Amino acid sequence: EAQVTQNPRYLITVTGKKLTVTCSQNMNHEYMSWYRQDPGLGLRQIYYSMNVEVTDKGDVPEGYKVSRKEKRNFPLILESPSPNQTSLYFCASSRGQGGDSPLHFGNGTRLTVT
Amino acid sequence: AQSVTQPDIHITVSEGASLELRCNYSYGATPYLFWYVQSPGQGLQLLLKYFSGDTLVQGIKGFEAEFKRSQSSFNLRKPSVHWSDAAEYFCAVVRSNDYKLSFGAGTTVTVRA
Repeated sequence: EAQVTQNPRYLITVTGKKLTVTCSQNMNHEYMSWYRQDPGLGLRQIYYSMNVEVTDKGDVPEGYKVSRKEKRNFPLILESPSPNQTSLYFCASSRGQGGDSPLHFGNGTRLTVT
Repeated sequence: AQSVTQPDIHITVSEGASLELRCNYSYGATPYLFWYVQSPGQGLQLLLKYFSGDTLVQGIKGFEAEFKRSQSSFNLRKPSVHWSDAAEYFCAVVRSNDYKLSFGAGTTVTVRA
């Protein structure tokens, strides 16, 4: 089954404790991206990757890092989480960044930073 | 700058009634347009998309959307809603020159019996 898998689904952590949210897709998609969803703001893009070893900042990249060492994986790293990063995070992938490539989303990771 | 506006934060509709969700965008050229649905605890699922051609597009689950260039709108409709349509709906716009993607803030739909 074609899917985007994120882990964990829920995560509670404390300020400053490094964490990684994993994302994997089995569709051989070139394009992957991370979003955060906050009430009233919709989804905002954090980082995206056009292909292996190619990553770029989205609209809200501050406080986040990503890597793309393999085509299928695109982890999101928070080196020193802060309470304002409490949010619902989604990973997504598509064949390409072109407009005719709809995104496939994971089921989300709800992160709470205390 | 590109923006996507969904004017209605929350809509309540009776089961069997019609539904229309509004989406407006600000962008000079015709963008690529999408509607996604998010059920509770789930990721977003594509309902339909518009790239070019016929301005009325059909999607999954009985939804359709109409692109109106003069109004910069891409409104989503369903003639008769089912209780399972209760969800949050997002309009998304991709700029045709640089493929920049933007989402609207979302509209939550509640379906009452």
